[in-house]
Amino acid sequence: EPEVTQTPSHQVTQMGQEVILRCVPISNHLYFYWYRQILGQKVEFLVSFYNNEISEKSEIFDDQFSVERPDGSNFTLKIRSTKLEDSAMYFCASSELKRGGYNEQFFGPGTRLTVL
Amino acid sequence: DQQVKQNSPSLSVQEGRISILNCDYTNSMFDYFLWYKKYPAEGPTFLISISSIKDKNEDGRFTVFLNKSAKHLSLHIVPSQPGDSAVYFCAASALNDDKIIFGKGTRLHILP
Repeated sequence: EPEVTQTPSHQVTQMGQEVILRCVPISNHLYFYWYRQILGQKVEFLVSFYNNEISEKSEIFDDQFSVERPDGSNFTLKIRSTKLEDSAMYFCASSELKRGGYNEQFFGPGTRLTVL
Repeated sequence: DQQVKQNSPSLSVQEGRISILNCDYTNSMFDYFLWYKKYPAEGPTFLISISSIKDKNEDGRFTVFLNKSAKHLSLHIVPSQPGDSAVYFCAASALNDDKIIFGKGTRLHILP
């Protein structure tokens, strides 16, 4: 069964450093998302991406964040200068359809980001 | 900002019995509701969904009920099995929105 994959599974970085989290969405999916879950809190939407541009973003997704689809398979989330509060599990998701369809988003296993 | 609320952080149910997980929402613009299941070290896995025009959707052992007037939905699992032990997230989305809004989750323990 096709699945969303993410690398690395765990990333440790120093405050102020740049990190890039990588995702390979399901191959025939057209819509891509990033969510995060801070320990003990709910899963929160960060950004959606379609047709090589951001479709929707949350208040969390400020100028420190960026997303890119550098080739036909990868979808990346970059945090330019990490802060302690960026420590969280980051989930990538993809969906075949947008709203009006099932909006069933398939999630990857996540990358645990630890900022020291 | 708790648009989707799961007030029970955990629930224990005997194997073979019915598990009922509850969820409340506040945003009347939500028109689609989903349940996700999550095991440790894995991402959320879609389980079942329901459109706001329906009041029930059933898929095997899983049934979701929606009460729009009460802004309440529930997930019934019957019979409960050991593999059902996981965290269950209630989630919702609104027309023309990309994002899914999640609740905090309920950890379900199925007891032998």
